[in-house]
Amino acid sequence: GQSLEQPSEVTAVEGAIVQINCTYQTSGFYGLSWYQQHDGGAPTFLSYNALDGLEETGRFSSFLSRSDSYGYLLLQELQMKDSASYFCAVRNSGGYQKVTFGTGTKLQVIP
Amino acid sequence: DAGVTQSPTHLIKTRGQQVTLRCSPISGHKSVSWYQQVLGQGPQFIFQYYEKEERGRGNFPDRFSARQFPNYSSELNVNALLLGDSALYLCASSLSSATGNTIYFGEGSWLTVV
Repeated sequence: GQSLEQPSEVTAVEGAIVQINCTYQTSGFYGLSWYQQHDGGAPTFLSYNALDGLEETGRFSSFLSRSDSYGYLLLQELQMKDSASYFCAVRNSGGYQKVTFGTGTKLQVIP
Repeated sequence: DAGVTQSPTHLIKTRGQQVTLRCSPISGHKSVSWYQQVLGQGPQFIFQYYEKEERGRGNFPDRFSARQFPNYSSELNVNALLLGDSALYLCASSLSSATGNTIYFGEGSWLTVV
């Protein structure tokens, strides 16, 4: 089976940096993805790490350590619009396309 | 370009009824997946279809079924609705069935069972 754990809530100040952690247990591993979901909206793809290291996309960066079964999403220069839920996710290794999502972290950005 | 489109956006059904949800993938995408998201949780995989064939199924009862049409659109059917089926149903599409492809979600269909 697969399971992914994240902190349930994080609060950070506008303009600051916040890190959202994700630890996972999987029977097979094909990379770690991150999705953003605003209340009432659809999950939106943010980033994907197939290999160890840091991937940067604008204000967002994502890191993966396969040996530690750990990854994080780093959000810089926080804006109020970043208030949302963030999910880490792993892709299935069973020959079909299934994404297993983490428990989700609700980020609140305050002035 | 249009993204993944789903209909209806909101609906209310009575326990025991049946519901059909529809999805049109991004143009050129041949794989469609369905997810259920209960409030406060992450999406849970229900089905994946590729080239009109079921490729994968999650831990959902047989009351849940789906199909994919020649134009790659898809329908999700849920029979004998239960109160616990109330959720956001998300459709996602990707270019192919390859594990490495990114999936893109639609805005979802909010189902309330009363």
